[in-house]
Amino acid sequence: DGGITQSPKYLFRKEGQNVTLSCEQNLNHDAMYWYRQDPGQGLRLIYYSQIVNDFQKGDIAEGYSVSREKKESFPLTVTSAQKNPTAFYLCASSIGTSATGELFFGEGSRLTVL
Amino acid sequence: AQSVTQPDIHITVSEGASLELRCNYSYGATPYLFWYVQSPGQGLQLLLKYFSGDTLVQGIKGFEAEFKRSQSSFNLRKPSVHWSDAAEYFCAVGALNAGGTSYGKLTFGQGTILTVHP
Repeated sequence: DGGITQSPKYLFRKEGQNVTLSCEQNLNHDAMYWYRQDPGQGLRLIYYSQIVNDFQKGDIAEGYSVSREKKESFPLTVTSAQKNPTAFYLCASSIGTSATGELFFGEGSRLTVL
Repeated sequence: AQSVTQPDIHITVSEGASLELRCNYSYGATPYLFWYVQSPGQGLQLLLKYFSGDTLVQGIKGFEAEFKRSQSSFNLRKPSVHWSDAAEYFCAVGALNAGGTSYGKLTFGQGTILTVHP
């Protein structure tokens, strides 16, 4: 079945450590996104990529980095510069520059900083 | 820049009762509007979307939403709620890129948590 796979589902990190969250899709979608979710704040866009080897900052990119070396993969690194990294992270994809704009989501990764 | 407001943080209804979740948006052009649902600890699933045409749109699981341009609203409704509808609901508005077509960069509201009493 086609879909988006995020791993790990749960991750614990000590302060000062970088961590990388994996996101893989087999939907053949061009565009991929990372959102951060905090209680009562909805989803906020961290980074997005419309094509391989290209990506743009979203609304809250500080302290995060991404790469898009393959169409299927869009990993997110939470760096030690991110001041409050504990959150639920959602990866999504869309067909691309279509008129629908519908997002398909993975099941999320919950990061806790100890 | 576009924005979305969901005025109700938490709504409680009895099973079988009707439901309306409110959503107000701010966007300079014709909006692309969405409703998503999220079960605890899960990703989001699309319920329905509006792009143009008929302002009353039907979605999955018996949900519908009505686009009212004059009120900048896109409220979600269901005539009879089931216990399995308990979840968090998000309204979102889509952006247009420079070419005038939409892509998936969405702005989400804060979410409304729905509790269903038996």
